[in-house]
Amino acid sequence: QVQLVQSGAEVKKPGASVKVSCKASGYTFTSYYMHWVRQAPGQGLEWMGIINPSGGSTSYAQKFQGRVTMTRDTSTSTVYMELSSLRSEDTAVYYCASWDLIVGATGDDAFDIWGQGTMVTVSS
Amino acid sequence: SYELTQPSSVSVSPGQTARITCSGDVLAKKYARWFQQKPGQAPVLVIYKDSERPSGIPERFSGSSSGTTVTLTISGAQVEDEADYYCYSAADNNWVFGGGTKLTVL
Repeated sequence: QVQLVQSGAEVKKPGASVKVSCKASGYTFTSYYMHWVRQAPGQGLEWMGIINPSGGSTSYAQKFQGRVTMTRDTSTSTVYMELSSLRSEDTAVYYCASWDLIVGATGDDAFDIWGQGTMVTVSS
Repeated sequence: SYELTQPSSVSVSPGQTARITCSGDVLAKKYARWFQQKPGQAPVLVIYKDSERPSGIPERFSGSSSGTTVTLTISGAQVEDEADYYCYSAADNNWVFGGGTKLTVL
């Protein structure tokens, strides 16, 4: 079964960091990019960044540069998103999602899978 | 950086055709994807490469493109199609979602 399973909800104080995990299964982990997308309560989807699970290269939205770090562990098919210097505006559901075939990999252009989301609440 | 602009809301009666537009300069050079999101659920891909439909998505969902605008069309909208819809595209190391359109079917 193709799926992404994320870690559980987190409650953090302002200024702290949070690290969310996303474990892939049922497909070739290194064939598709992994995106991180967040959604504040009642708001739209916001793209945060992307990681190539094969080589580990990353790109981040300018808004999060300096505060976000995305990493992967190919031995466990898991990607991580760490966000630091948390503030109340970071309260949101954080999703990992895999799409976009990596150059040189074989697969399906229609591939698209999302995790169940991780609620991160930032409150003093 | 690129921006994608969508109407905030669209409303149709059941059986009517719903059209949701998405505009932005990036669409002239790259494909768009459309995602459907229902309350409390993760988004679901309904259209990719402007007009391709993934397996399992009903045929009433279609997509088209013209210049810097892409359009999601739901022909014969059903009550269960009521949801938020987001367009997405990426180019030149810019990845962006539209602001989302709330589709009401009643």
